[in-house]
Amino acid sequence: DSGVTQTPKHLITATGQRVTLRCSPRSGDLSVYWYQQSLDQGLQFLIQYYNGEERAKGNILERFSAQQFPDLHSELNLSSLELGDSALYFCASSVGGVGYTFGSGTRLTVV
Amino acid sequence: DAKTTQPPSMDCAEGRAANLPCNHSTISGNEYVYWYRQIHSQGPQYIIHGLKNNETNEMASLIITEDRKSSTLILPHATLRDTAVYYCIVTGTASKLTFGTGTRLQVTL
Repeated sequence: DSGVTQTPKHLITATGQRVTLRCSPRSGDLSVYWYQQSLDQGLQFLIQYYNGEERAKGNILERFSAQQFPDLHSELNLSSLELGDSALYFCASSVGGVGYTFGSGTRLTVV
Repeated sequence: DAKTTQPPSMDCAEGRAANLPCNHSTISGNEYVYWYRQIHSQGPQYIIHGLKNNETNEMASLIITEDRKSSTLILPHATLRDTAVYYCIVTGTASKLTFGTGTRLQVTL
């Protein structure tokens, strides 16, 4: 157990639908990072939050959004889902940007 | 973040040391070298990181050249469970980790 909790572990949904992925960071970590890993691609950085505020943005589609709540957990919202959004979604957290711990991921399948 | 270059794949016999190289010739003075690995589809696992000096922990050793333009991750006694994709990442403090394609290490009997 890395200390970073992601739920759900698996998610199957239809095209056009909307889903929410949840991440609870390690205790004390203020930063949360979201990554996408598609079958044929590497880990792509999506977005970073630090203590509730957006800190950095990567290749995140406009159909995707995220937020970090006062208790520091984060949610990644994916809408108007397409087949190509099927992927593993990982969350990572860090306390001061040194030492990033990843969760076990959410496997999203869009059918 | 500085770009890194790693060999796409390497083989290592079980029980032998695995030496994984990484080039990062454009690294800046305040950038760290991180190593992560990903076993199958699990979440990336932190291995080690360093700034200038060589580092060692219970998993591995990190050797950084004096000019900091390259580094080597050493797994002293590789086992089958070390078979994974290993990523060398260079990044500044509090910055995101940018993953490349990594080195696929295959440990064999």
